[in-house]
Parts: sequence; C-alpha cells; structure tokens
Amino acid sequence: SAVISQKPSRDICQRGTSLTIQCQVDSQVTMMFWYRQQPGQSLTLIATANQGSEATYESGFVIDKFPISRPNLTFSTLTVSNMSPEDSSIYLCSVGSRYYGYTFGSGTRLTVV
Amino acid sequence: TQLLEQSPQFLSIQEGENLTVYCNSSSVFSSLQWYRQEPGEGPVLLVTVVTGGEVKKLKRLTFQFGDARKDSSLHITAAQPGDTGLYLCAGPDTGTASKLTFGTGTRLQVTL
Repeated sequence: SAVISQKPSRDICQRGTSLTIQCQVDSQVTMMFWYRQQPGQSLTLIATANQGSEATYESGFVIDKFPISRPNLTFSTLTVSNMSPEDSSIYLCSVGSRYYGYTFGSGTRLTVV
Repeated sequence: TQLLEQSPQFLSIQEGENLTVYCNSSSVFSSLQWYRQEPGEGPVLLVTVVTGGEVKKLKRLTFQFGDARKDSSLHITAAQPGDTGLYLCAGPDTGTASKLTFGTGTRLQVTL
C-alpha cells in the first residue's frame, strides 16, 4: 500500500491567518482525499483532489476557505484560510480505493488561538 | 445521505475481557471497512468485508458483515492494552464509490 508523508504534524496558529498542509505520496495516484476530524469525532470528507482539475468539495466546505492544489500525481496541499478557533481539528489526507482500502497520512493537529 | 452509527461510543474494559462493536445503517453498502486509529496517527485499515454474511478473522479480531449488508460487527477476544484506540467502520458512498462514509466511531480503552 502507498506511504503518505504529511506535514506539519501539528501547529498552533493565530486566528485570521492561514496554514498550508502538505501531503506527499510514494506512488502516483489519481485521487487524493482530504478529511477533517474534529476533537473526539469521526472523519468528515472535505474534498477530493484530482490532478489537472479543480477539487470537488463536499457540502459545507468551500474553496475560498479550503483551497486545494494538486500539481502532480504524488503531491497535494490543503490550505485552511482565515482561521478561527472552530477550525481547530486534525486534518488528514488519504489515498486508496474501495477495493483495497485507504491509507491515511498521520494527520496535522491544528490549534487556532 | 448514508449514515453509519456505531455503538457503543465509548468502552473501557480490563485486559482479557471480550467485547463487540456494532456498525449499523439503514442503507445497503457494497462493502464495509474497519479502521483503528491511535492517538497522533491516521486510521489504519484492519479489514474489508464484501459479501453478505462474510466473517473474517484477524488474530483475536473477528469481523462480520450482515446478511443484508446494512450492518457489521467487530468482536475482540481477550482484549489487550495494545487494542486501545478509536475504531471506525466505513463504507463507499453509493453516489461516488471512491468516497468513504465513516461511522461515528467507538473509542476503546483496555487497562491492565
């Protein structure tokens, strides 16, 4: 299965600022997925990132708040913009398929103060 | 929207005890996956069940997929502290099969 390197692993940010999270995969993949995990909660899909096209966002998530880049088949970034304390969560990237399962990065624990 | 409800939400047991975690939905899923997440890490895939009625074993963990493919269970025999973590079931979205819907999660703590 793929190996994902995600960074930063954690950060504490001031409200109103932005943070960019990076995910690097050790193999080429068509789709990369970005999730949010609020404290003590399960995972919620933010968006699906395809190389060469705009990301597809889930209901409740918008591009202005969570812009995503996908410059090639092994890399993606998620930016959390104009942060507020409500954005404090763990953000995870993932690759995989329904047949073989999904691999996740180790997550970025974001605290907004 | 497909929902996956897990029960119980929290479970604190002693080493050596047995336990069962349930994952239920009103929707039919083509398959279900189980993940375990430890603090500071992303979820790790434990198993995928595909066929209604299927039973899979992974050492002390037994996974079952309901006959109607609307529910699944995870049974752990003789729990160990290393089993501690957040257990998540997940199934592919019917609209876009590459997307996963995650269950509400079961947090397990196993103490000595």
